[in-house]
Amino acid sequence: QITLKESGPTIVKPTQTLTLTCTFSGFSLHTTSMGVGWLRQPPGKAPEWLALIFWNGDKTYSPSLRTRLSVTNDTSNNQVVLTMTNVDPIDTATYYCAHSSFRLGHSNWFGPWGQGTLVTVSS
Amino acid sequence: SYVVTQPPSVSAAPGKTARITCEGNNIGGKSVHWYQQKPGQAPILIIYYDTDRASGIPERFSGSISEDTATLTISRVEAGDEADYYCQVWESSTDHYIFGPGSSLTVL
Repeated sequence: QITLKESGPTIVKPTQTLTLTCTFSGFSLHTTSMGVGWLRQPPGKAPEWLALIFWNGDKTYSPSLRTRLSVTNDTSNNQVVLTMTNVDPIDTATYYCAHSSFRLGHSNWFGPWGQGTLVTVSS
Repeated sequence: SYVVTQPPSVSAAPGKTARITCEGNNIGGKSVHWYQQKPGQAPILIIYYDTDRASGIPERFSGSISEDTATLTISRVEAGDEADYYCQVWESSTDHYIFGPGSSLTVL
């Protein structure tokens, strides 16, 4: 059974750096086609994809947030860490990590998701 | 950038069929995934690659796709199906995973 859980601060001040950790079990990021995605969902809005790290170490980021995001992989601890710099109140959202995979020649899907963690950006 | 649209709300009586659409230019050329989100919960994957049901998802949920529209069909709707439903695609030109705005299903 695949499970994921996000952890990190619940409140961050504007201009600070947000660091979130995703701890997962039930799969290995060493396995071909496996990935971990980060997504967020502002209150009352649709999910927004942020980043995706693949089993082979490749990473991809949302074009609009690429300059502020970084994702790293700690395979020894089954953790993936998302860093977002220079946060703003508009970044207030529930942040999710999710298992991701794909069929050869096709795009990734996301599931299951972690329970999410609400991050508020406020001074 | 690529845009997908969904009706904000859909309703159906118990036992009837609900259809939720996801429209986008030549969406039939992409892979469409569908997610269900109940209040206070994380989204769950229900349909992937247009028509495949995710593990544990009832057969009442099905997906279809045409040139410009993907459709999630929920047969024999139940009260427990009340949720927000999101479609998701990948835009290859920008390497961007895009979610639709979501459709809220109300069971009458």
